[in-house]
Amino acid sequence: SQKIEQNSEALNIQEGKTATLTCNYTNYSPAYLQWYRQDPGRGPVFLLLIRENEKEKRKERLKVTFDTTLKQSLFHITASQPADSATYLCALRNSGNTPLVFGKGTRLSVIA
Amino acid sequence: SQTIHQWPATLVQPVGSPLSLECTVEGTSNPNLYWYRQAAGRGLQLLFYSVGIGQISSEVPQNLSASRPQDRQFILSSKKLLLSDSGFYLCAWSPASGFQETQYFGPGTRLLVL
Repeated sequence: SQKIEQNSEALNIQEGKTATLTCNYTNYSPAYLQWYRQDPGRGPVFLLLIRENEKEKRKERLKVTFDTTLKQSLFHITASQPADSATYLCALRNSGNTPLVFGKGTRLSVIA
Repeated sequence: SQTIHQWPATLVQPVGSPLSLECTVEGTSNPNLYWYRQAAGRGLQLLFYSVGIGQISSEVPQNLSASRPQDRQFILSSKKLLLSDSGFYLCAWSPASGFQETQYFGPGTRLLVL
């Protein structure tokens, strides 16, 4: 069966450290993978998209990697701040005309 | 710029009552539209999506239905709510170029069925 797994439901990290979140998928052949941020009581907000032919994408303190052999994406936040505390969702779209499928998310808490 | 509206923001309804949640998008034409539900502690579950007026695809069979009476209006309905319908309902849109693009979410409606 098809699965998207974000293998940490919650992650606590000290301010200033790098947070690394993992997204693994099974039985998908995604054309791209996206990461979203969701704050409590709000809708998710798009952060980054990485395509299958890209190894790495950066945006300010964010970095995403995509390994189609391992079927895994890593999401890094460097120099983490308490304001980075939120739930982070990965989402992918299989090849073909299908909508995005979301993982359950990882709740990140950055402790001052 | 594009904006997406959802209402109401919160709703408390008794079991067996009807439901109507509305979503509208401004600043774009012929968007793809989506309804998601997010139950407490669980991920985003895609309920319905629409690529055009009157075109609805259902992802999960249940007592909910969706309609798209106008290009930028998407409505989620139920004739009789169940306790299990409680959750956070999110509407989203994406540009009309197939499903290639990112999704933009509304503020959500928190529904509590008692």
